[in-house]
Amino acid sequence: EIVLTQSPGTLSLSPGERATLSCRASQSVRTNYLAWYQQKRGQAPRLLIYGASGRTTGIPDRFSGSGSGTDFTLTITRLEPEDFAVYYCQQYADSPPTFGQGTKVEMK
Amino acid sequence: EVQLSESGGGLVQPGGSLRLSCAASGFTFASCAMSWVRQAPGKGPEWVSDISGRGDNTRYADSVKGRFTISRDNSKNTLHLQMSSLRVEDTAVYYCTKRPLPGLIGADDRWGQGALVTVSS
Repeated sequence: EIVLTQSPGTLSLSPGERATLSCRASQSVRTNYLAWYQQKRGQAPRLLIYGASGRTTGIPDRFSGSGSGTDFTLTITRLEPEDFAVYYCQQYADSPPTFGQGTKVEMK
Repeated sequence: EVQLSESGGGLVQPGGSLRLSCAASGFTFASCAMSWVRQAPGKGPEWVSDISGRGDNTRYADSVKGRFTISRDNSKNTLHLQMSSLRVEDTAVYYCTKRPLPGLIGADDRWGQGALVTVSS
């Protein structure tokens, strides 16, 4: 199975700063079938990005995804207070679908 | 508006059984594959099983294969997960998720609120 490794584990930033989250796959993710999810405490995950760079309807354009092959990035250009949460990447190209262990974006 | 509502969670002893259901609304149910994803306390999400829009194709995580059965009733817009031979390590919040297309390949574009399953003696 494809193992996804996210870094860093925790990102301490202030509102207005830029956040850069990394997701590295143990093998190439076919067709860039890589998604990013946001999860706030006590809530279900929410899909932000699919296909490595496609933004889901209703997601603000400060969220962007990039990358291909084995290296992918989620960028939040200017952090808003509601963006402090845990972010997970997921590959859905190969079975089984797998998730990374998550990056927590916390307020400094 | 898309809505997914899980039910059937609870406390069960090791070796016991439980059936989760997910009522779906706000989209054409038979046109979308569906999935169950679980999340143990303090851990990341883990895919459990998925089923195609017509119900003719299913997949399972190795950790649940032979113990869990996924099914759907397109006439009632309902997804099920029959869980048997439950283990302590199956304890988690179980989420029902929707995929955008009838095939199994796709991101989980909508999630229910989750149902807590606790396996303990």
